Amino acid sequence: QITLKESGPTLVKPTQTLTLTCTFSGFSLTTNGVSVGWIRQPPGKALEWLALIYWNDDKHYSPSLKSSLTITKDTSKNQVVLTMTNIDPVDTATYYCAHQHHLEPRYFDYWGQGILVTVSA
Amino acid sequence: DIQMTQSPSSLSASVGDRVTITCRASQSISNYLNWYQQKPGKAPKLLIYVVSNLQSGVPSRFSGSGSGTDFTLTISSLQPEDFATYYCQQSYNVPRTFGQGTKVEIK
Repeated sequence: QITLKESGPTLVKPTQTLTLTCTFSGFSLTTNGVSVGWIRQPPGKALEWLALIYWNDDKHYSPSLKSSLTITKDTSKNQVVLTMTNIDPVDTATYYCAHQHHLEPRYFDYWGQGILVTVSA
Repeated sequence: DIQMTQSPSSLSASVGDRVTITCRASQSISNYLNWYQQKPGKAPKLLIYVVSNLQSGVPSRFSGSGSGTDFTLTISSLQPEDFATYYCQQSYNVPRTFGQGTKVEIK
């Protein structure tokens, strides 16, 4: 059974760095084809894809946020970490991590519950 | 980036109605199209993958069709538990992109 859960601060000040952790079970990020993504959703708005990391450490980022995002994995802890620098109030959102199906065509088949992050002074 | 445009943005329908939501990609995405359902305060849930494949546990009243740039999600007979927001998403390339969502409300 695949599960994912996001953790991190729920209140962050502008210009700070946000670090979110996705802790998962039921799969391994050492297995060929496996990947985990981050998606966010500002209150009342649509889903926005942020980043992906693959089992082979291949990484992809949203072009609009690429300069501020870093995604890493810790396979020994079954965790994926997303770091966002110089955070702004517009980054207030619920942040989700999700497992991406390991074969093409891919889709996000398992999602965490999400964590609401508020950016405010 | 591939832009995904859904229509309508919202709709009101009654229980038992047939509901159709469309999703258009800004370029061909072959069959790399997925649909998600999201209820208030909950994480999105995979509904249909690769255009027309129902995720396990999804009722057969849901169906998907299309190819290339134009796709459709259909609910054949709307049930109370189907009132939610629906998103399409392309996995043809990165960046992955979602539609803006279609909110299905009770009439």
